[in-house]
Amino acid sequence: EAEVAQSPRYKITEKSQAVAFWCDPISGHATLYWYRQILGQGPELLVQFQDESVVDDSQLPKDRFSAERLKGVDSTLKIQPAELGDSAMYLCASSLEAQFNYGYTFGSGTRLTVV
Amino acid sequence: GNSVTQMEGPVTLSEEAFLTINCTYTATGYPSLFWYVQYPGEGLQLLLKATKADDKGSNKGFEATYRKETTSFHLEKGSVQVSDSAVYFCALSEETSYDKVIFGPGTSLSVIP
Repeated sequence: EAEVAQSPRYKITEKSQAVAFWCDPISGHATLYWYRQILGQGPELLVQFQDESVVDDSQLPKDRFSAERLKGVDSTLKIQPAELGDSAMYLCASSLEAQFNYGYTFGSGTRLTVV
Repeated sequence: GNSVTQMEGPVTLSEEAFLTINCTYTATGYPSLFWYVQYPGEGLQLLLKATKADDKGSNKGFEATYRKETTSFHLEKGSVQVSDSAVYFCALSEETSYDKVIFGPGTSLSVIP
């Protein structure tokens, strides 16, 4: 079964350092999402891509977060500088296209701890 | 704005007990509704979905019926197993918001032998 690949699985970083996460969606999936899940809460959308274009980044803290999907395939989410409040699970998801009734396939996530 | 409310957990059940996890939603139009499940240390998996009123989604013994009159999408299973222990998220997606999915806070389920 096709999977969304994410790396690393776990990351510990010091406050004020830079950190990056990588996601490789299911082959052929045009739509890619980055979600942040704080412990004990539901995921919240950070950014949505359609191919290489950003469709929605209204909840992305742009002073420190950036996301790119240069060739419309894999994607990188970066935080610089990291803050203690950024500790969370970062989830990547993809779907064949942006259909509201389709549902997503999620990766296993990257657990970030900022110390 | 759109939102999803779930019953608070944690929920603890004995094996073979009946499960209900309540979910209600607020939406401006006609959303699609989903249940996702998250096992410890893993990402979310789509469990079931319903795309219009009175639809019933089902998978792995779980069921949920889209009730527009009560804006609800309660998750049920007749006989839970230890392997069902996980966090369950109710979610909605609306065409007018370009398919952005909004998740509820999640309900943790523990099934004991």
